[in-house]
Amino acid sequence: GENVEQHPSTLSVQEGDSAVIKCTYSDSASNYFPWYKQELGKRPQLIIDIRSNVGEKKDQRIAVTLNKTAKHFSLHITETQPEDSAVYFCAASILNRDDKIIFGKGTRLHILP
Amino acid sequence: DTGVSQNPRHKITKRGQNVTFRCDPISEHNRLYWYRQTLGQGPEFLTYFQNEAQLEKSRLLSDRFSAERPKGSFSTLEIQRTEQGDSAMYLCASRSGTKNTEAFFGQGTRLTVV
Repeated sequence: GENVEQHPSTLSVQEGDSAVIKCTYSDSASNYFPWYKQELGKRPQLIIDIRSNVGEKKDQRIAVTLNKTAKHFSLHITETQPEDSAVYFCAASILNRDDKIIFGKGTRLHILP
Repeated sequence: DTGVSQNPRHKITKRGQNVTFRCDPISEHNRLYWYRQTLGQGPEFLTYFQNEAQLEKSRLLSDRFSAERPKGSFSTLEIQRTEQGDSAMYLCASRSGTKNTEAFFGQGTRLTVV
């Protein structure tokens, strides 16, 4: 079955700097890659997603890149702000087949003042 | 509130007791997922449904766990003979399966086995 690895487990960056979180997946059939943000005591919420037919997607300060050959995808947050402090999870899914969503173990992002 | 709803929010039970959690998905979402999350970890897949059909159950899940979605709407997750290792947050998510790829999570049920 699908396995998603996520690195690093903890990341600290100065406010205003960029943060990058990386994930790899094992099943080459995976075609949908969402990223979720979970603040302390709250439910995970989708922040951005990408399908396998594109290599990059941006939404304001957040971008995701996908390398299908390497089975690797990354989350990029630019101009980080204190409210970006949270745990971020990557995930992989096969749309229109089993639709199961498998998550990575998460990255705790700390934005330092 | 038209989001995913889970009840109860918290459950404390003695070891060996049975517990049942409920998840009400977003209306018309035909996919429903159950996950377990422990501190510092990502959501661990337990099982999922398409309408009332249970499509897959994690091999990591013991026979003490069972889930149902009898009418393709709400779902229940039951844990029999609870153990301390079952203590975790149990998250439910739902997804349209057709138009929208986003999965929406409930706020979870925190189980503590004492």
